[in-house]
Amino acid sequence: RKEVEQDPGPFNVPEGATVAFNCTYSNSASQSFFWYRQDCRKEPKLLMSVYSSGNEDGRFTAQLNRASQYISLLIRDSKLSDSATYLCVVNGNDMRFGAGTRLTVKP
Amino acid sequence: EAGVTQFPSHSVIEKGQTVTLRCDPISGHDNLYWYRRVMGKEIKFLLHFVKESKQDESGMPNNRFLAERTGGTYSTLKVQPAELEDSGVYFCASRPSGRGYNEQFFGPGTRLTVL
Repeated sequence: RKEVEQDPGPFNVPEGATVAFNCTYSNSASQSFFWYRQDCRKEPKLLMSVYSSGNEDGRFTAQLNRASQYISLLIRDSKLSDSATYLCVVNGNDMRFGAGTRLTVKP
Repeated sequence: EAGVTQFPSHSVIEKGQTVTLRCDPISGHDNLYWYRRVMGKEIKFLLHFVKESKQDESGMPNNRFLAERTGGTYSTLKVQPAELEDSGVYFCASRPSGRGYNEQFFGPGTRLTVL
């Protein structure tokens, strides 16, 4: 079993749609959690950290459920520019990445 | 402020050759990480420096890989001799020390192709 598992995708959605990504992790001692965004042939960039209380940044909402070892990312009102691969990242002793979920937002 | 830089951006070598990748972290960042993404797989941790010391090298695949960070500034990752399965994108990341500094800033990566 992988340490960080994500929805395999790809997700193809129209502009304006709401899309949700899920992620589970196996190391219960993990301490910090992130969603990174990676554009094609570019480096990963931090989208947002994920806190136990849940957090929101504009159209993006992240949730963490430590009991279920589950993380989610919700994107509302999708834009064409949201097209990218979204990486779930979990930090215990070191950063563990999910394989990523590819999102394509179409006109 | 300059971000993390990596050199070269691409490298194509033959099996058995040696390649050295370089990473310049953001100035003042004590923590430096190396990662690798092999085709079709997730990004995997290789090792972590705090200043010039190796904090964790548990992700290094074998002894053909050698990382150094002399002086605690830039770092090099040498692969010798390179094998076909070493092909992939090698990312470097850095972050400051201290509580609250969890975000790692990634460089653009070095795309290594071993033929």
